[in-house]
Amino acid sequence: QQQVKQSPQSLIVQKGGISIINCAYENTAFDYFPWYQQFPGKGPALLIAIRPDVSEKKEGRFTISFNKSAKQFSLHIMDSQPGDSATYFCAASRGNTDKLIFGTGTRLQVFP
Amino acid sequence: DTGVSQDPRHKITKRGQNVTFRCDPISEHNRLYWYRQTLGQGPEFLTYFQNEAQLEKSRLLSDRFSAERPKGSFSTLEIQRTEQGDSAMYLCASSRGLRGAGETQYFGPGTRLLVL
Repeated sequence: QQQVKQSPQSLIVQKGGISIINCAYENTAFDYFPWYQQFPGKGPALLIAIRPDVSEKKEGRFTISFNKSAKQFSLHIMDSQPGDSATYFCAASRGNTDKLIFGTGTRLQVFP
Repeated sequence: DTGVSQDPRHKITKRGQNVTFRCDPISEHNRLYWYRQTLGQGPEFLTYFQNEAQLEKSRLLSDRFSAERPKGSFSTLEIQRTEQGDSAMYLCASSRGLRGAGETQYFGPGTRLLVL
């Protein structure tokens, strides 16, 4: 059962453009929503995270928008750079276990 | 401060053989997680430890899989009688485990397993 749905599967953006990746979740008990970035041959690395009591969080060029009523959240990468080319995963967790439920990933390619 | 390390980075084995992977978490991190990632998919939770106690196991973890964290530091994941379907990247992550919900999990580079 896929509890976190992610789209698109792949994304091509020109340098300087905005990259937008969307996720939807089903379990209303989720209370922590991180985004991870993964380069080939590496483990995922935390990019930015949000809790459901906040509708938006910004860190540098990266912004999470969160819509609790729609059970959706998205990652916006402003001024996308070739170095941002990687696979991005949204995830969700709940309660004390913190086990992460990941989306299927979005492969981002930023062309100069 | 060193990150999470995993050993080996790559493992090729024949079907039916046993394999063991090791994970060394960030020093003083109380929680340790194992995930499995297949090609083109997100990581899937397998199991986690709070110190030396294994607190949850996914249904993905068949009886051929066993994980230990004997002294609350490093952990091992053993797969017995490997099958071709076990081919995947096995990721380890650790977190402080002090506050409960919403702590950052730091991932290691993974062990890529290929079962022939």
